[in-house]
Amino acid sequence: DTEVTQTPKHLVMGMTNKKSLKCEQHMGHRAMYWYKQKAKKPPELMFVYSYEKLSINESVPSRFSPECPNSSLLNLHLHALQPEDSALYLCASSPRQETQETQYFGPGTRLLVL
Amino acid sequence: QKEVEQDPGPLSVPEGAIVSLNCTYSNSAFQYFMWYRQYSRKGPELLMYTYSSGNKEDGRFTAQVDKSSKYISLFIRDSQPSDSATYLCAMKPSWGKLQFGAGTQVVVTP
Repeated sequence: DTEVTQTPKHLVMGMTNKKSLKCEQHMGHRAMYWYKQKAKKPPELMFVYSYEKLSINESVPSRFSPECPNSSLLNLHLHALQPEDSALYLCASSPRQETQETQYFGPGTRLLVL
Repeated sequence: QKEVEQDPGPLSVPEGAIVSLNCTYSNSAFQYFMWYRQYSRKGPELLMYTYSSGNKEDGRFTAQVDKSSKYISLFIRDSQPSDSATYLCAMKPSWGKLQFGAGTQVVVTP
């Protein structure tokens, strides 16, 4: 099973709302990632968690707050977003951070900020 | 200059033709080379990955890496309309993050 699941599939929020994206994998992977993808662009790395600890933050604004409650779950908390944050948010996982060549992506959450 | 260059297309081919995709790169430290397929409004799906130079075949898909030329290719034989998607190359050094190409949109016409 190489499945990464993400909820919700779609999300519409206002600029004053607080919402959370959820990602789950049961492959025993110890590295998990958040990416942002705009239309017709490749995914852009936001955060990397390795063994439930934040390993990389690609200078992402503080209105995005990641959380890794356990080795199977990854959350992305959203607060006071801007319209330009509208994008497809992708979660991915790999066995370890060193083995990103076998990185599996979820279907994504399509976010619209009004 | 971007580290990974990929023609965004679109690349249109008739059903049954061979689809030829490629990426060039500038960072000689890249060791792992991946191809992802992404359908519209979906997440990328890992198709193949290759370590260092050489060829790898999986069904209708063949990946080639030429490190001396800093050039990688993906060939899709007997293309089908269901192969219509965006194909992203990605690569990484032994330690470091994935670098993606821009993605090539492929359209296979019946």
